[in-house]
Amino acid sequence: DVKVTQSSRYLVKRTGEKVFLECVQDMDHENMFWYRQDPGLGLRLIYFSYDVKMKEKGDIPEGYSVSREKKERFSLILESASTNQTSMYLCASSLEGPGLADTYEQYFGPGTRLTVT
Amino acid sequence: TQLLEQSPQFLSIQEGENLTVYCNSSSVFSSLQWYRQEPGEGPVLLVTVVTGGEVKKLKRLTFQFGDARKDSSLHITAAQPGDTGLYLCAGPPSGTYKYIFGTGTRLKVLA
Repeated sequence: DVKVTQSSRYLVKRTGEKVFLECVQDMDHENMFWYRQDPGLGLRLIYFSYDVKMKEKGDIPEGYSVSREKKERFSLILESASTNQTSMYLCASSLEGPGLADTYEQYFGPGTRLTVT
Repeated sequence: TQLLEQSPQFLSIQEGENLTVYCNSSSVFSSLQWYRQEPGEGPVLLVTVVTGGEVKKLKRLTFQFGDARKDSSLHITAAQPGDTGLYLCAGPPSGTYKYIFGTGTRLKVLA
């Protein structure tokens, strides 16, 4: 089974702090994703990566950056946390990328609920 | 803008009842996936449908992909409290590099 783990289930940070969210997958997947999930807004893509050191902006990249130094690890960085970044953050991985295969299945981690005060 | 609209948005039913959740779009999708997300957890993949008209069964859950690959449905027979959760459809619109999530259906099955 694919396993995607996230470094923290719950996190409380202060406004202005730099926040690191870590995600690790153990299935040698090429593609990794960061989403945030908010009530009424659904899942929104922040960034994705289709290879080591490669990254692409998603729909809402402002205020975030990412790092992928190793294939299995994808980090989301909040440079200066703000209260509007309070959310559930979900990491996912997939074997193939969109546009490259008809079947395109994502495997999610358990999520990190981040509260910025 | 490619959208996946799910209906109903919320559903509260008694144990043993049947239900159907719909996922609709005006765009053609290469495939559609269905996920279930329990409170405080990440979505878990249930099934992928690829061919227009395809039907897949997973125990009491039946998934169908529309003939034109623009819509899908999830039917649950004899719902149980363990079926409670947020159901999401998602997929890559044909000819794009995107992956779109549906608006979600929140199901509560009462014992």
